[in-house]
Amino acid sequence: AQKVTQAQTEISVVEKEDVTLDCVYETRDTTYYLFWYKQPPSGELVFLIRRNSFDEQNEISGRYSWNFQKSTSSFNFTITASQVVDSAVYFCALSEAGTGRRALTFGSGTRLQVQP
Amino acid sequence: EPEVTQTPSHQVTQMGQEVILRCVPISNHLYFYWYRQILGQKVEFLVSFYNNEISEKSEIFDDQFSVERPDGSNFTLKIRSTKLEDSAMYFCASSEMGTGSYGYTFGSGTRLTVV
Repeated sequence: AQKVTQAQTEISVVEKEDVTLDCVYETRDTTYYLFWYKQPPSGELVFLIRRNSFDEQNEISGRYSWNFQKSTSSFNFTITASQVVDSAVYFCALSEAGTGRRALTFGSGTRLQVQP
Repeated sequence: EPEVTQTPSHQVTQMGQEVILRCVPISNHLYFYWYRQILGQKVEFLVSFYNNEISEKSEIFDDQFSVERPDGSNFTLKIRSTKLEDSAMYFCASSEMGTGSYGYTFGSGTRLTVV
């Protein structure tokens, strides 16, 4: 069965600090997709990134970067020079493309608070 | 950019009443989903729907839940007899494919409060 673990329940940083949100996943499928979503206080789910299991290249998008390591089943998310607007709950999620569940399985989320 | 639209944004209902949550998926998407998020908890999968039938459902999706695509555009979630523990944010999502290869587009959610 698939599982996503976000061990950090809550992180608090001061503006301009770098912060890394951890995500560890479990799956038996060889083809799968990993996602990060942001949920601001307004409640909607904002898509940040999708990564397939065959693409282990790290990705950078502005202040955001993602480190995908199949060897450790991790897909960590780093925010560089954090800002108050980054304060939100961040969810890592997994979907399997083979015989497993194709719908998204979410982690429990990490609440990030960025203090001014 | 195409959006998934959910109505209403907030619904309050009495325990035991039936509620219908509505969603308009993106027009060229083929797969539709409902997820639930109890306040302060993670987002949980309820059901996926393809070709006018349920393709997958979770253990949460019991007999009191049903889904329907009554016309070419709407996708609904019905809860027959609401309980207090059904209070949650309900998200609709749609995707072009059934796997994550094209990603999922989420609506902004319906907050259901059962009193």
